[in-house]
Amino acid sequence: AQSVTQLGSHVSVSEGALVLLRCNYSSSVPPYLFWYVQYPNQGLQLLLKYTSAATLVKGINGFEAEFKKSETSFHLTKPSAHMSDAAEYFCAVESNTGNQFYFGTGTSLTVIP
Amino acid sequence: DSGVTQTPKHLITATGQRVTLRCSPRSGDLSVYWYQQSLDQGLQFLIHYYNGEERAKGNILERFSAQQFPDLHSELNLSSLELGDSALYFCASSVAFSGGYNEQFFGPGTRLTVL
Repeated sequence: AQSVTQLGSHVSVSEGALVLLRCNYSSSVPPYLFWYVQYPNQGLQLLLKYTSAATLVKGINGFEAEFKKSETSFHLTKPSAHMSDAAEYFCAVESNTGNQFYFGTGTSLTVIP
Repeated sequence: DSGVTQTPKHLITATGQRVTLRCSPRSGDLSVYWYQQSLDQGLQFLIHYYNGEERAKGNILERFSAQQFPDLHSELNLSSLELGDSALYFCASSVAFSGGYNEQFFGPGTRLTVL
């Protein structure tokens, strides 16, 4: 069965610094991978998704992620953090059947002014 | 606004009671997923319905049940409630469940507090 592992439950960066949130997947076949963001007291919002069309995926709000099969990783990055990026970020993988999703435990991003 | 609506927004009830959470998917979406989010368990997949049929079950307790109606709205029924059932319950919808195009749109959630 598929799964994702998010390394680091809490990440702090300074405003303007690089954001790097780590996600590793476990899948026997090429997976469909997603990053979601959750702001306080809100539902999850899709940031970007990997569907095998391109290994570098660009999402909303300046985020991007690179699919690396050799490392089974799908890390999320943003060149310059903004205060508004402070939120919880979830990596997710879709099951082979498409019937369910497996979410990571989340990474809480704090941006220090 | 994702287009997914959930009611009620907040629910406070007592142990042993039964509650019903409601979800209306985005217009045109046939799939509805339910999730439970708690501090100690994270985001847990509960169940998935597609066009009225159950497609997958996750970590859903036997005290919990769900259904999707012909108009595609879905209800999650929680019975014999326990303190540990206190959590945020999200539903999400997607147009289908084919791989790679299964972008989920999440509702704002229902916060359930069991006293």
